[in-house]
Amino acid sequence: EVQLVESGGNLVQPGGSLRLSCAASGFTLRTHWMSWVRQAPGKGLEWVAHINPVGSETFYVDSVKGRFTISRDNAKNSLFLQMNSLRVEDTAVYFCTRGGVGASLWGQGTLVTISS
Amino acid sequence: QSVLTQPPSVSAAPGQKVTISCSGSSSNIGKNLISWYQRLPGAAPKLLIYEDNKRPSGIPDRFSGSKSGTSGTLGITGLQTGDEADYYCTSWDSSLSVGVFGGGTKLTVL
Repeated sequence: EVQLVESGGNLVQPGGSLRLSCAASGFTLRTHWMSWVRQAPGKGLEWVAHINPVGSETFYVDSVKGRFTISRDNAKNSLFLQMNSLRVEDTAVYFCTRGGVGASLWGQGTLVTISS
Repeated sequence: QSVLTQPPSVSAAPGQKVTISCSGSSSNIGKNLISWYQRLPGAAPKLLIYEDNKRPSGIPDRFSGSKSGTSGTLGITGLQTGDEADYYCTSWDSSLSVGVFGGGTKLTVL
């Protein structure tokens, strides 16, 4: 079955770090752009980061630049999001998606809660 | 404040037609392709329209997309109660170098 499964969401204190993972199955990750999207409670969707198929180009929303790092391991069919210096406003469900703005495949999401 | 502007809500009766607008600028919709997503409660977003007006396999032709200048429109005909959801437009923004979403539109089927 073609699917994306996120993991790594947790409750973390402000200033802490977290690493999200996204495992792809049923298709080869190496031929696709991949992205992370988040949705904060009561808010809309927000693109967080994008990465090209070989991992040489990355793009970030301004609010996470310098704090988050998107990466991939094509050999392990996995996508990652390293999140440092976490803030309360980073609280959200984080989705892994296959593709850019026209992403046809999404995971079910993983909840990240930043609170003291 | 979202980069793309959508109406917060729209409503129509079952069987009727509704349109949802998405307004952007020359750095996003005016230069790049637009996509539309449906977000049902508790479910991951579902791609309805990509590359302005194309439907993925399995999306009924009740859903349509169009674009003119710096604005896009999602049309839904033959409304069903199951269409009640939040709808989001999105595009790449060449100035910000990241994808951008509209704030979302809540569709109510009365």
